[in-house]
Amino acid sequence: NAGVTQTPKFQVLKTGQSMTLQCAQDMNHNSMYWYRQDPGMGLRLIYYSASEGTTDKGEVPNGYNVSRLNKREFSLRLESAAPSQTSVYFCAQGAGGLAGVGTDTQYFGPGTRLTVL
Amino acid sequence: SQQGEEDPQALSIQEGENATMNCSYKTSINNLQWYRQNSGRGLVHLILIRSNEREKHSGRLRVTLDTSKKSSSLLITASRAADTASYFCATVSLTSGGSYIPTFGRGTSLIVHP
Repeated sequence: NAGVTQTPKFQVLKTGQSMTLQCAQDMNHNSMYWYRQDPGMGLRLIYYSASEGTTDKGEVPNGYNVSRLNKREFSLRLESAAPSQTSVYFCAQGAGGLAGVGTDTQYFGPGTRLTVL
Repeated sequence: SQQGEEDPQALSIQEGENATMNCSYKTSINNLQWYRQNSGRGLVHLILIRSNEREKHSGRLRVTLDTSKKSSSLLITASRAADTASYFCATVSLTSGGSYIPTFGRGTSLIVHP
């Protein structure tokens, strides 16, 4: 998971609390992604950012907001956490490829394990 | 919704045997990627195969792509206990918004017994 750091590694929230998951990359890549992984569901894309200053919704954006603070950092915010958001959250980065976002290799962080009670 | 679906969901083999996992998908793709995930860790990229390619190799890994059947396979030859992990395929397709987005399947859990 070299190149992508995520904080925190673990977090327990109560329903209704808010928090921000942090992600930073050191490979100077354009694209960054946030996924959630649930048992038996694989990874589902929440939001992505093709470049600094742009963000777009993925498959499951409801309940989340993101900020591409600069080229290195891409944060994910839960404004009012719900038990359905209990999951493992992965941040990833990619160069973007010649054809655009998502066409090349992605590098994943170690994940944040979030439990919402 | 998952575009790529891996098969089988679980695979248990002995060290030294070959392991084959398959991925099927529904719509046209730009490329297909295979990733490995060890328990409690993030995903690690293995191989990317583009839609105009039919086969790629990387060490003990062999990936094939059949766009007419919308399927791909990952073969791990001479498996080792260290290959025990979950394996995911990710299909990259063009969205209505004009971006190429990866969509992951649910994965195949591989156990290699020493």
